[in-house]
Amino acid sequence: AQRVTQPEKLLSVFKGAPVELKCNYSYSGSPELFWYVQYSRQRLQLLLRHISRESIKGFTADLNKGETSFHLKKPFAQEEDSAMYYCALRGSGGYQKVTFGTGTKLQVIP
Amino acid sequence: DAGVTQSPTHLIKTRGQHVTLRCSPISGHKSVSWYQQVLGQGPQFIFQYYEKEERGRGNFPDRFSARQFPNYSSELNVNALLLGDSALYLCASSLRQGGNEQFFGPGTRLTVL
Repeated sequence: AQRVTQPEKLLSVFKGAPVELKCNYSYSGSPELFWYVQYSRQRLQLLLRHISRESIKGFTADLNKGETSFHLKKPFAQEEDSAMYYCALRGSGGYQKVTFGTGTKLQVIP
Repeated sequence: DAGVTQSPTHLIKTRGQHVTLRCSPISGHKSVSWYQQVLGQGPQFIFQYYEKEERGRGNFPDRFSARQFPNYSSELNVNALLLGDSALYLCASSLRQGGNEQFFGPGTRLTVL
């Protein structure tokens, strides 16, 4: 079974402060991890994936297999980062079953 | 390209009725997945179709079914609706079966009274 846990429903930070959105997962094989973001009145969209090892909009996430975590980080929050963030896992096997966490709402206070 | 499109936008049904939701993938995408998102939760996987065949199924009862057409569009059918089926139903398309980014549609909001 595959499971994704996002412990915080809401995270409020001040503009310019560092951000860390937590994600822990459970999966017996080698998963592929993603962060999706949904801005107000917009569609769910991919933010980044661990295999790309890239920084998008200043966000980074490192897969820690030992701690089974994939936390999303940004050194300096901006108001436009306010959105709903979902951590997601795709297991091995080729097909697209993606298990999502319950999401964390990030609120950046001006 | 308008991206993934879904119809209708909103739908109100009563218990016991049947509903059909439709999805048109991005041009060239051959894989379509369906998700159910209940308020306050993340999307939950229902089905994946690739090249008109079911390639994955989540933990949903047999009242849920889907199909993919030769033009790669897809329908999700739900029979004998229950109050608990009220949710946002999301469709996502990707180029191939695995290893590709999924692009989500705006969703269909289903309310069961």
